[in-house]
Amino acid sequence: QQQVKQSPQSLIVQKGGISIINCAYENTAFDYFPWYQQFPGKGPALLIAIRPDVSEKKEGRFTISFNKSAKQFSLHIMDSQPGDSATYFCAARPKIIFGKGTRLHILP
Amino acid sequence: EAGVAQSPRYKIIEKRQSVAFWCNPISGHATLYWYQQILGQGPKLLIQFQNNGVVDDSQLPKDRFSAERLKGVDSTLKIQPAKLEDSAVYLCASSGRTSVSSYNEQFFGPGTRLTVL
Repeated sequence: QQQVKQSPQSLIVQKGGISIINCAYENTAFDYFPWYQQFPGKGPALLIAIRPDVSEKKEGRFTISFNKSAKQFSLHIMDSQPGDSATYFCAARPKIIFGKGTRLHILP
Repeated sequence: EAGVAQSPRYKIIEKRQSVAFWCNPISGHATLYWYQQILGQGPKLLIQFQNNGVVDDSQLPKDRFSAERLKGVDSTLKIQPAKLEDSAVYLCASSGRTSVSSYNEQFFGPGTRLTVL
């Protein structure tokens, strides 16, 4: 019940395309859902986050869609660029639980 | 502002040896976290400090892992004795700036990559 299930494990997208990463959770006590971006040799960095009372949040090319009834949320990266190639983690709080990550590769 | 500093960046040891990692959080950050990130997985919280007190150490293997945060600033994480399954990246993070979400954003250091042979 404390897990956050993330898919896909890896993703390849053409430059300019839309990258979509999905996460699902069970614990309804989770009340904050951040996404992190991690480059090789670096620690994760907060990208964007959402609360369950909001169905969508957009920041630049990054959008979180949240479906409270389905207990699912997803990250959409519009106009994906080679510089977006990284590992992305969804997470849930209060006691932070991370998904297993998605390795995203954007083809130039 | 300077980020979270960690050292060493890499460490290779034999099993049953001991090892220590050091973390210097962002200045003024009261909360400090240690995470274990096994290859191909997300970070797992090991211990959380608020100033120099432990808030959560429920996932810390206390028979071999220990951590301290003297004076509420720097922190050390120790493993004694190490096992093969301890091979991972050990991440330190700190938080302290209030955000509109009411969850303080965590800033991560670059991590220490530990290999146990």
